[in-house]
Amino acid sequence: EVQLLESGGGLVQPGGSLRLSCAASGFTFSSYYMSWVRQAPGKGLEWVSGISGSGGTTYYADSVKGRFTISRDNFKNTLYLQMNTLRAEDTADYYCAKWVIDMGFDYWGQGTLVTVSS
Amino acid sequence: AIQMTQSPSSLSASVGDRVTITCRASQGIRNDLGWYQQKPGKAPKLLIYAASNLQSGVPSRFSGSGSGTDFTLTISSLQPEDFATYYCLHDYNYPLTFGGGTKVEIK
Repeated sequence: EVQLLESGGGLVQPGGSLRLSCAASGFTFSSYYMSWVRQAPGKGLEWVSGISGSGGTTYYADSVKGRFTISRDNFKNTLYLQMNTLRAEDTADYYCAKWVIDMGFDYWGQGTLVTVSS
Repeated sequence: AIQMTQSPSSLSASVGDRVTITCRASQGIRNDLGWYQQKPGKAPKLLIYAASNLQSGVPSRFSGSGSGTDFTLTISSLQPEDFATYYCLHDYNYPLTFGGGTKVEIK
């Protein structure tokens, strides 16, 4: 059974940093692109960042480029999102999701809440 | 970045109604579009991929159509469990972008 379990969310002050983790199981982690998708309270979905199976290629939304870094550890089957210079508008539930080429996000985690506030 | 314009933003419908949601891309995206359903407090769920392919386990009352810039999600006979918010997502290139969402409410 595929499982994605996010952790690392919490309350952080503006300008601060946070690292999210997503522990994956039930599939060959290194074979799949992975992404982070976020949802601000009461708002729609926003794709944030994606990474290839090897970790060699990364992609970012313009809203986080230069502040966030996606990475993965294929030995630990874990996806990461390092978030720096956080802003109030980064407050959201952050989901990790497994991407299947020519299909889409077929599995999602339960989300972890990041709150940026003083 | 490609913009995805989804309409309507909300609708009210009754059980048994036929419901249609549309998504328009700011440029041609072939058939690189998926549809997702999200219920309150839950993660999104993939319904349709490559514009018209039904994801495994999704009821056949859901269908998708379109290519290029205009796409449609249709629910042929709305069921109580279908009241949710629906999003389109293009995967033609990066950055991926979602539509703004359509909230389907009970009339």
